Amino acid sequence: AQSVTQLGSHVSVSEGALVLLRCNYSSSVPPYLFWYVQYPNQGLQLLLKYTSAATLVKGINGFEAEFKKSETSFHLTKPSAHMSDAAEYFCAVSPQGNTGKLIFGQGTTLQVKP
Amino acid sequence: ETGVTQSPTHLIKTRGQQVTLRCSSQSGHNTVSWYQQALGQGPQFIFQYYREEENGRGNFPPRFSGLQFPNYSSELNVNALELDDSALYLCASSPGGLGKGPGEQFFGPGTRLTVL
Repeated sequence: AQSVTQLGSHVSVSEGALVLLRCNYSSSVPPYLFWYVQYPNQGLQLLLKYTSAATLVKGINGFEAEFKKSETSFHLTKPSAHMSDAAEYFCAVSPQGNTGKLIFGQGTTLQVKP
Repeated sequence: ETGVTQSPTHLIKTRGQQVTLRCSSQSGHNTVSWYQQALGQGPQFIFQYYREEENGRGNFPPRFSGLQFPNYSSELNVNALELDDSALYLCASSPGGLGKGPGEQFFGPGTRLTVL
């Protein structure tokens, strides 16, 4: 069965520092991969998605992620953290050919210190 | 363009009761998925509806059931509520369908259910 592991339930960075949120997946074939962000008391918003095109995916708000098949990873990065980036981040996988079921990781809380 | 809306925002029930949660999908979307997000956890897939038919189900007991209406809005029903059903219930709509790629799922703000 497919699964997603997010390394680090809490990540703290200083404003202006690099953001790196880690995500590893398990799948026999490369799945579709997503990063979502959740602000307090809100639903999830899509940051970016990988669907077997370019391995480096650019998303909203300056975030990007690189798909590495050899490492089964899809880490999320942002060169310079902003206070408004503080939120919960979820990595998710969807089996190829499936339009519905998303399998989410446990989430990583990003704290941005001034 | 109206996004995904859910009602009610918050709900408090007692163990053994039944609850119905509602979701209006985004205009033009014919697919609705429901997720349960327990406190401190990632969302867990409950089931998906495509054109009024259930199209995939997660590891949830039969007391979790749903409906999708001709206008593609949807309901999630939970019978015989248990304390562990306390969670944020998220609805997501997408313009996808059978055999299509993973279109973006648009999430509503959720319904916070508390079971006492």
